[in-house]
Amino acid sequence: NAGVTQTPKFQVLKTGQSMTLQCAQDMNHNSMYWYRQDPGMGLRLIYYSASEGTTDKGEVPNGYNVSRLNKREFSLRLESAAPSQTSVYFCASSESRGPPYNEQFFGPGTRLTVL
Amino acid sequence: AQSVSQHNHHVILSEAASLELGCNYSYGGTVNLFWYVQYPGQHLQLLLKYFSGDPLVKGIKGFEAEFIKSKFSFNLRKPSVQWSDTAEYFCAASLLTGGFKTIFGAGTRLFVKA
Repeated sequence: NAGVTQTPKFQVLKTGQSMTLQCAQDMNHNSMYWYRQDPGMGLRLIYYSASEGTTDKGEVPNGYNVSRLNKREFSLRLESAAPSQTSVYFCASSESRGPPYNEQFFGPGTRLTVL
Repeated sequence: AQSVSQHNHHVILSEAASLELGCNYSYGGTVNLFWYVQYPGQHLQLLLKYFSGDPLVKGIKGFEAEFIKSKFSFNLRKPSVQWSDTAEYFCAASLLTGGFKTIFGAGTRLFVKA
């Protein structure tokens, strides 16, 4: 039981390059989330998927797209990376978006640097 | 706008000292409250949570937190910290309306000196 896995762990991009961050969970959770973590700002929600087949914007969606490929997988795409997107990205999942199951389980993170 | 404020960004303690990390949220409705911990090099994991009932909740590793509704606070406490408690601690509030949005605080980095 791996929980939430993310690939890659580290990535360096040049401005304008694109890439996809992958996330998978094996807990049969309905809801999945993408956050970015920046120093002094905590975690900010980029996009979430309340259930398979649905996605919605979070606080900071600009410059990102997501795909909920199936119940297990939720990917985050940067179409044209910018230095402002240098951050640590966390994927999370929860059994459902509402209580009492909205405890979230996090992946190990992807450290992305955009030059 | 809803927000979660953590009072201290950095805390340094000696082993066996007592710990209290402050957390306040700004939201008038019903919330679920969480403390997550991120140990060095590891991912975030749940420390404890409050949904309803007894406002004093106990979590893993001897941590506890008290929900004080009148003060919009959910402070984290531990009577005697250990070196292994060195980590970053995040308070989070899950709003029970408007799509169950979860808002995280900026985090508090705790360093415990051996």
